[in-house]
Amino acid sequence: RKEVEQDPGPFNVPEGATVAFNCTYSNSASQSFFWYRQDCRKEPKLLMSVYSSGNEDGRFTAQLNRASQYISLLIRDSKLSDSATYLCVVSTGYSTLTFGKGTMLLVSP
Amino acid sequence: EAQVTQNPRYLITVTGKKLTVTCSQNMNHEYMSWYRQDPGLGLRQIYYSMNVEVTDKGDVPEGYKVSRKEKRNFPLILESPSPNQTSLYFCASSLIVASGHTGELFFGEGSRLTVL
Repeated sequence: RKEVEQDPGPFNVPEGATVAFNCTYSNSASQSFFWYRQDCRKEPKLLMSVYSSGNEDGRFTAQLNRASQYISLLIRDSKLSDSATYLCVVSTGYSTLTFGKGTMLLVSP
Repeated sequence: EAQVTQNPRYLITVTGKKLTVTCSQNMNHEYMSWYRQDPGLGLRQIYYSMNVEVTDKGDVPEGYKVSRKEKRNFPLILESPSPNQTSLYFCASSLIVASGHTGELFFGEGSRLTVL
């Protein structure tokens, strides 16, 4: 199984900061990309899909660079409630999903 | 309410005592999957199912069995649990979209299993 790698963090940032997470994947045949969010001791939930042209959802922006095989997530104006672990997920197709180990974000007042 | 329900949520058992963790979804999803999550190792897939009577091994299937007799249910069976199966287990389900990929994964709340 090909790997998905993320910086484990934790990233400690103050409220209002901008923070960026990167994720690299090794399988060039990967076709679908996602960011999931997991709060402490809770189940993961979809944050956003990542599209080739990049996409934005409020304070969150996701980018995909197929040539370099990395995905990024940018969070602007961080809130305390953004504290969580962010999981990069890559699909090589037909239900083959690979999860990164996650990057922990801690937003402090 | 659309949901994935796992039971039990917490279980302490002893080595060798067979147990089943149930998983049920009410969204008519074709795809269901089991994961275990361990510190430093992230989420690892145990088994998955593309539809009724269709199951396949994930990354860490040893020591586990599954069945998919009905679309909504996907139980995880530990025939003879061992301490290295102590973990947090998640069931998830998803539609299969037109391209054959899974759509958004919906997770259950997790089942924390301790094997003594």
